Amino acid sequence: DQQVKQNSPSLSVQEGRISILNCDYTNSMFDYFLWYKKYPAEGPTFLISISSIKDKNEDGRFTVFLNKSAKHLSLHIVPSQPGDSAVYFCAARWFSGTYKYIFGTGTRLKVLA
Amino acid sequence: GAVVSQHPSRVICKSGTSVKIECRSLDFQATTMFWYRQFPKQSLMLMATSNEGSKATYEQGVEKDKFLINHASLTLSTLTVTSAHPEDSSFYICSARDRVVTEAFFGQGTRLTVV
Repeated sequence: DQQVKQNSPSLSVQEGRISILNCDYTNSMFDYFLWYKKYPAEGPTFLISISSIKDKNEDGRFTVFLNKSAKHLSLHIVPSQPGDSAVYFCAARWFSGTYKYIFGTGTRLKVLA
Repeated sequence: GAVVSQHPSRVICKSGTSVKIECRSLDFQATTMFWYRQFPKQSLMLMATSNEGSKATYEQGVEKDKFLINHASLTLSTLTVTSAHPEDSSFYICSARDRVVTEAFFGQGTRLTVV
């Protein structure tokens, strides 16, 4: 059972426009949500996180929105740049004896110049 | 962000041999380390979680005798794939966190190919 879902496997956006990546989850016990960026054959790089008690967190061009009632979060990148092209993973943290991180299936973002 | 170093980045081994992958936190104390496996075009699947000085906790379906995890110090965890078979070929990634920060930091990953 996939507890963290990214339903869009890919997304193409024009440079300078907004990129919106979506993520849905099922477990109400998650206390933090995180976004990671990943290039092929490399480990994920942390981008931004949000606590489950907040609804928005912003860091430069990256903003994450959390809608707890809908169990949905999104990552907005504006303006999008070609260097943002990568696979983006949504992850959720929960405590089960120790903290664990569960990842979605990823969305491949391509920013077109 | 914090630095996690994973070694080797690539390894090719013969079927039946064992392979050890190291994961080091370079500038923080990793109280918890995680091992993931990623198949092509799929998500990162959590294999096991280890706390320093304790036995690793394996996820359902992961063979603990096949994937030996040792977290002997606050800066080092190792994953040993024992008696490797071609189906063990995959991209293995470690991550680590300390007690304070929310996020986990990832190593560069290891591409294992068993021939």
